[in-house]
Amino acid sequence: GEDVEQSLFLSVREGDSSVINCTYTDSSSTYLYWYKQEPGAGLQLLTYIFSNMDMKQDQRLTVLLNKKDKHLSLRIADTQTGDSAIYFCAEKGAGYKLSFGAGTTVTVRA
Amino acid sequence: GAVVSQHPSRVICKSGTSVKIECRSLDFQATTMFWYRQFPKQSLMLMATSNEGSKATYEQGVEKDKFLINHASLTLSTLTVTSAHPEDSSFYICSARAPGTSSYEQYFGPGTRLTVT
Repeated sequence: GEDVEQSLFLSVREGDSSVINCTYTDSSSTYLYWYKQEPGAGLQLLTYIFSNMDMKQDQRLTVLLNKKDKHLSLRIADTQTGDSAIYFCAEKGAGYKLSFGAGTTVTVRA
Repeated sequence: GAVVSQHPSRVICKSGTSVKIECRSLDFQATTMFWYRQFPKQSLMLMATSNEGSKATYEQGVEKDKFLINHASLTLSTLTVTSAHPEDSSFYICSARAPGTSSYEQYFGPGTRLTVT
């Protein structure tokens, strides 16, 4: 089965880089995702990575995947106040089901 | 881009009553929709997978007679919480997947906050 774990909180100064970490257990995972949830809202897909990739960069977002350690990270460069949110790591299982981590609450301080 | 809506966004109901939540794909046809439940400051837990024209597949531990799911058309799935109790209070989120799309494309609705008094 799938089990996704994340650290729960991250505080970062505006303008610095944020790094959010995630570990997963399902070795057959094909797609891994990062979602952003703002207060009272649904989930916004930020980026995803296929399991045969090591890195993916999309503007301020960089995803690193270490398949050996089943470790996924999301780096947000030049963090802004609008980046304050909960970030969920998720892996795709059978039948397009997604298993989510507990979410990392990112707080950006001035 | 693909948009998924939910209605209502917030609902308060009395214990023992039933509540229906709608999930609509606005600009695409969704053969598969997913219903999630999220408790405060917790992750999303998949409740069921809904395929158009067939019975929903429920996750282990989810009571199918309590959480009725209907996916009668390619753009609408409904979740009915029957005989609601305070412990059913939660944030319910749906997502939708379009046919023929890549595996990563799953679009989420804005969620429905249910409070049972």
